[in-house]
Amino acid sequence: AQTVTQSQPEMSVQEAETVTLSCTYDTSESDYYLFWYKQPPSRQMILVIRQEAYKQQNATENRFSVNFQKAAKSFSLKISDSQLGDAAMYFCAYTQGAQKLVFGQGTRLTINP
Amino acid sequence: AAGVIQSPRHLIKEKRETATLKCYPIPRHDTVYWYQQGPGQDPQFLISFYEKMQSDKGSIPDRFSAQQFSDYHSELNMSSLELGDSALYFCASSYPGPNTEAFFGQGTRLTVV
Repeated sequence: AQTVTQSQPEMSVQEAETVTLSCTYDTSESDYYLFWYKQPPSRQMILVIRQEAYKQQNATENRFSVNFQKAAKSFSLKISDSQLGDAAMYFCAYTQGAQKLVFGQGTRLTINP
Repeated sequence: AAGVIQSPRHLIKEKRETATLKCYPIPRHDTVYWYQQGPGQDPQFLISFYEKMQSDKGSIPDRFSAQQFSDYHSELNMSSLELGDSALYFCASSYPGPNTEAFFGQGTRLTVV
């Protein structure tokens, strides 16, 4: 079974600085999709960024980018120019496409003003 | 744009009672997923439906059942409720095909007292 591991239960960063959240996963499949979801205090699950495993280029969405290392099964999220609104729980997730998501344990990100 | 609608948003039930959670997917989405997120936990997959047929099953208790109706909305029925069933229940929907993302509803917060 596929597993997703987030080894950082909590992270904090100063406003306007950069922070990287770590995620590793385990799968024997070659085609799959990886996601980072943000869950603010409202508990809404918000998609931040996605990466297709067949794409070598790392995904980027404005201030959010990933470092996808397929051989190492690593998928980290970098948040640049951190803003107070980025404070939330962040979940890394895996799917083989049109199938269930497997989530990591989450990382609580605090932004210090 | 239309989003995934879940009702009710909040529900309080007593032990051993029954609860029904409803999910209305985004129009033309034919796949629905249910997740359970306990306090301080990551979302856990319960069950999914594709074209009104069950497509996958996760850690769903036998006391729970679900179905997808002809209009693609889905209902999660929970009987003999236990205190441990208190959680946030998410529904997500997606288009068919592997390269799609799941869109989450805002969740139903179930409290069992």
